[in-house]
Amino acid sequence: EDQVTQSPEALRLQEGESSSLNCSYTVSGLRGLFWYRQDPGKGPEFLFTLYSAGEEKEKERLKATLTKKESFLHITAPKPEDSATYLCAVQADSSGSARQLTFGSGTQLTVLP
Amino acid sequence: DADVTQTPRNRITKTGKRIMLECSQTKGHDRMYWYRQDPGLGLRLIYYSFDVKDINKGEISDGYSVSRQAQAKFSLSLESAIPNQTALYFCATSGQHGYGYTFGSGTRLTVV
Repeated sequence: EDQVTQSPEALRLQEGESSSLNCSYTVSGLRGLFWYRQDPGKGPEFLFTLYSAGEEKEKERLKATLTKKESFLHITAPKPEDSATYLCAVQADSSGSARQLTFGSGTQLTVLP
Repeated sequence: DADVTQTPRNRITKTGKRIMLECSQTKGHDRMYWYRQDPGLGLRLIYYSFDVKDINKGEISDGYSVSRQAQAKFSLSLESAIPNQTALYFCATSGQHGYGYTFGSGTRLTVV
């Protein structure tokens, strides 16, 4: 069974204080790992897709990395507007033609001014 | 207009009532999904559809049914709502290979 575990559940940072969110996964063949941002009362918004170990992607203050067992979302010098819940999801061989995503429970990030 | 529109945004209903949640998309994608989000559990797949004639059960389909009225429309029904179906429901659409998911803004459903 595919599993995705995110840690920590919640993280409070001061503005400018860099940190990392973790997503560990157990799947039978990874097709892709996805990071989403979710603001209160809204649907998840796509951030990154990573396909293979060693791959990295960046967008503004965010950088996602991937190993064979986990992914990190690094946040450099965060601002209050980065406050949101960050979701990790995997698409695995076991999903077959459905290509559905298996989600972690998210990390709720709060950046204080 | 949003790429994926869900209605209603909020709904309170009584136990035993039938309720329908609607979803429409303008992405032109064939694949559509219904997910449920509960605190601490992440999003879980209820049903998915590849086209109008192709409907498939997901991880937690019991107590739910769906209808794909057109390529752009995918509705979720609770035939007889129960309190543990209280949750946030999301519709999503994706491209042919399941990449590029786009989610709607969600429907917050409360069953009392």
